[in-house]
Amino acid sequence: EADIYQTPRYLVIGTGKKITLECSQTMGHDKMYWYQQDPGMELHLIHYSYGVNSTEKGDLSSESTVSRIRTEHFPLTLESARPSHTSQYLCASSKTSGSSFSQYFGPGTRLTVT
Amino acid sequence: TQLLEQSPQFLSIQEGENLTVYCNSSSVFSSLQWYRQEPGEGPVLLVTVVTGGEVKKLKRLTFQFGDARKDSSLHITAAQPGDTGLYLCAGNFGNEKLTFGTGTRLTIIP
Repeated sequence: EADIYQTPRYLVIGTGKKITLECSQTMGHDKMYWYQQDPGMELHLIHYSYGVNSTEKGDLSSESTVSRIRTEHFPLTLESARPSHTSQYLCASSKTSGSSFSQYFGPGTRLTVT
Repeated sequence: TQLLEQSPQFLSIQEGENLTVYCNSSSVFSSLQWYRQEPGEGPVLLVTVVTGGEVKKLKRLTFQFGDARKDSSLHITAAQPGDTGLYLCAGNFGNEKLTFGTGTRLTIIP
């Protein structure tokens, strides 16, 4: 059972608002990730972090930003939400054991921008 | 860019039948994961395979990693309605990130 949490689970917000999606994990994993997923579609990596004060952009360009001040916390911020940001946002963390790499996901935040 | 192709994209079968879904890449994986995702939820890790030719079993699910570590399969025996969901394979190519397949949407009809 993965101990990774996301809040809120659902968010409906108007255009132009600033929002922060929270993600926390209690597994002590150094690496954390944010993915964006539209219904029934594949996951696209938008941000990742290999440790405190380390953040990188993922494969899919995103107007969101992230921060990693504490190991367990990896929030994602949209300064000015737009309808094109409507999607499911999934946070994940990972551990590496030898050549085995396993990633665990939170329950997701479904964002709707009106 | 590494690509993972999953097949079939959609599969609908009767309860009790067996099925196999496939995940293929032109690149060699360091490791590969299979996930199941329910609507509105995050993917749940089912298994990680690392060694070429490796076979892992999880109750009625059997996961196989190809000898060349470029492909994998998931076989479900005696499918049940609770197996319904989106099955995703994801490959790690040694860079601490995952590349996800396009998914197989499985529906088990009671």
